[in-house]
Formats: sequence, structure tokens, C-alpha cells
Amino acid sequence: KNQVEQSPQSLIILEGKNCTLQCNYTVSPFSNLRWYKQDTGRGPVSLTIMTFSENTKSNGRYTATLDADTKQSSLHITASQLSDSASYICVVRRSNTGNQFYFGTGTSLTVIP
Amino acid sequence: ETGVTQTPRHLVMGMTNKKSLKCEQHLGHNAMYWYKQSAKKPLELMFVYSLEERVENNSVPSRFSPECPNSSHLFLHLHTLQPEDSALYLCASSQYRTGGNQPQHFGDGTRLSIL
Repeated sequence: KNQVEQSPQSLIILEGKNCTLQCNYTVSPFSNLRWYKQDTGRGPVSLTIMTFSENTKSNGRYTATLDADTKQSSLHITASQLSDSASYICVVRRSNTGNQFYFGTGTSLTVIP
Repeated sequence: ETGVTQTPRHLVMGMTNKKSLKCEQHLGHNAMYWYKQSAKKPLELMFVYSLEERVENNSVPSRFSPECPNSSHLFLHLHTLQPEDSALYLCASSQYRTGGNQPQHFGDGTRLSIL
């Protein structure tokens, strides 16, 4: 069964600290993996997209990693800011299937001063 | 400005009403999507339109009816909805089938409440 699981479900950290969010998937065949940030009351915004051959990609203070062998990805946030408070969603695209995207339920991150 | 605009942002309707959600994209994309987002659940893909033709429909109830008059506009017509249809409805657009690595651009959604 094609699934995407994220952990933790929620996380609270102090401003300035680092954190890492996890994503495990069973989607096959694999095309790419995406991380989105969704602020409260807004739509998701793309952070990174990684294909099978990429094992790390950065977007400012956000760094995503991918291990296609173990089917795991992580999103590392460095020097967190209050504006990082949001839900982070992992999405895996299945290859050769047009528009089959599999979404995780997200990790809710709260950054406190 | 996300490039994808959804209206209305909030909608409250009774189960016997008929309403429509509107989505417009200004990004020159050739594919548009409707998603349903419920609390504690993953986003559910409802409909995809590519080049104005519907290419997927994941067994969504017939009380939801999509319409895509051109590549920039997408509607979701609603009638005789049920309380469990209360959710955030998100529209997205992307470039379809250009290697599959293009991000989807989402609107900010319509928060729908069924009384």
C-alpha cells in the first residue's frame, strides 16, 4: 500500500534552536519527494523537490535529505524563527502515473520565543 | 500573491443549497487541481484538469461537480452537501508532464462549513 508517514505529529521548540522532521514512505515506483510549508489559514508552499538521484537539497534555513534505499526523508530547520511556525507536509509522487501524489498528514511546528 | 486565487475564502451553506467555488491561476500553467483538506487527514485529490480535459477523478461523490472552462479557471459546483463535506478546499496549478518535477502552486483555500 502506498503511504506517507510523518513524525512527530507536533513539535514545540524555542526560537533559535534547530529541529528535524521525519518522513517515511512506501510509495513505489518513486518519482520525487516534496516538502511543503503550510501557514495557518494559507495554502501549502513548496520548499524543496528531490528526485531519486538527489540526497540533499537546501532552501535557505531548510535542508531536506533523501535516502531512497530506506525510503526516508528528513527536513532540517536551522536557527528557527517564529515565522517557521506552520505545518510541514511531505508529499511523494509516484512515477509513470500522471498525477498520483501521496500526502502525509503533516508535522505541526510551533516556535516559541 | 501566490498566483492562485480562490474565492470565496469562507462559505457557510445549508445542505440543500447550491454554491460554487472559484479558482483562477495567473502562472501560465496547464494543469489545475481540487483538493480537500480535513483536520488530521492527508490532502485528498478530488479532480485534475490538464489542458482543460479532466484526466483523473478519485471517486468523489456526484454532489461535487468540477468545471474547467479554460486553462486559467477552475470551478467546483456544490449541491446537497453533507456535514462531513465541511473542510478546507484547496486549488492548485502546475505544469503537467514536463518531467514531473514541477511544484504545485496552491491557493489559500475556501473554508467550507455545512450546517
